[in-house]
Amino acid sequence: GESVGLHLPTLSVQEGDNSIINCAYSNSASDYFIWYKQESGKGPQFIIDIRSNMDKRQGQRVTVLLNKTVKHLSLQIAATQPGDSAVYFCAENGHQAGTALIFGKGTTLSVSS
Amino acid sequence: DAGITQSPRHKVTETGTPVTLRCHQTENHRYMYWYRQDPGHGLRLIHYSYGVKDTDKGEVSDGYSVSRSKTEDFLLTLESATSSQTSVYFCAISDGRAKDTEAFFGQGTRLTVV
Repeated sequence: GESVGLHLPTLSVQEGDNSIINCAYSNSASDYFIWYKQESGKGPQFIIDIRSNMDKRQGQRVTVLLNKTVKHLSLQIAATQPGDSAVYFCAENGHQAGTALIFGKGTTLSVSS
Repeated sequence: DAGITQSPRHKVTETGTPVTLRCHQTENHRYMYWYRQDPGHGLRLIHYSYGVKDTDKGEVSDGYSVSRSKTEDFLLTLESATSSQTSVYFCAISDGRAKDTEAFFGQGTRLTVV
């Protein structure tokens, strides 16, 4: 079964709002997590990653939070724009180099202007 | 985009016919992966390769085989296509030099089995 999953299949927000996309993982041995964005007709693209020795990591308009106690991961997008509309996946890497990423089912973010 | 090319981008084939999808990379990455993407299932691993002629099965490998005779090419073969293999197929690559390393994805191949 899935070891990584997202809480909500869809999320609708207004342009300018902040968006929060959540993910729960079940494998406590996972030590590296990635958020991917997938636009229609394209492959997943890397947004931001975080290692298990960190609680928070910030990028441009995006922040990833990791709560290892409850095995929860979230992606925050500030001032959401129509171009942020896409499917967002969280993924975990195994603890061995080259282990394939395990993906959750994804959350579709729709941004209306 | 990372140097990953999938071919063909679209294919329609008949049930029972063999189909081969190709993934070509120019990054010289050691690890290559094939995923399939279906509504409600996200991305699921079919097979992966950790070097030339070194491959292993993933979560949904039944009905699929792979080959990697060169670093740059990873082929996915459906020996006898079935309608349940209608999907979008993604190739990914990773240098795998460290335990925390991202994977880069190709643009996908949309396969329809009729």
